[in-house]
Amino acid sequence: GQNIDQPTEMTATEGAIVQINCTYQTSGFNGLFWYQQHAGEAPTFLSYNVLDGLEEKGRFSSFLSRSKGYSYLLLKELQMKDSASYLCAVRGASNYQLIWGAGTKLIIKP
Amino acid sequence: EAGVVQSPRYKIIEKKQPVAFWCNPISGHNTLYWYLQNLGQGPELLIRYENEEAVDDSQLPKDRFSAERLKGVDSTLKIQPAELGDSAVYLCASSLDGGRADNEQFFGPGTRLTVL
Repeated sequence: GQNIDQPTEMTATEGAIVQINCTYQTSGFNGLFWYQQHAGEAPTFLSYNVLDGLEEKGRFSSFLSRSKGYSYLLLKELQMKDSASYLCAVRGASNYQLIWGAGTKLIIKP
Repeated sequence: EAGVVQSPRYKIIEKKQPVAFWCNPISGHNTLYWYLQNLGQGPELLIRYENEEAVDDSQLPKDRFSAERLKGVDSTLKIQPAELGDSAVYLCASSLDGGRADNEQFFGPGTRLTVL
């Protein structure tokens, strides 16, 4: 079967760094997305990785290892507004098909 | 540029009643998705449209759910009759070209449905 695993919840301190992991087992692989979702709001796109390595975008970076079926989202210089759920989604064998993880709720404390 | 528009934002109905949700995607986006999201879970695809054609409705409970996208632009999702377990957030998303692997999906704010 197809499966995506993320931690349910993480807590971090304002100004610190946090790494949110995502492991996946899918039929085929055509890229991995990270989305941010604030409570009661729509998911918004953060990053897309299809090749191995680190993609940096401001305070957020995303890493992919296809051989390990593993990705992480790295958030630096955490701000209170980063409190949200972070969803990992993998595009499987068919380009349209997105398999979603349950999301990681990130709580930022002062 | 306007984002994905959904209405209503909130809906409370009694079980066995019908309900409909409306979505207007970003202009020019050919692919439209309807998702269901329960609290603490990721979105679950209900149906995907390429223009006016429903190309994946395998997860849509067809005994009570229906959808249409008649002119390949806006779309309606209907539930009739609603059940208690249908309480969830219904998200609409669109993308420029759903067949491209790197195409991100843009989501609307969702409709929060409560069935009493």
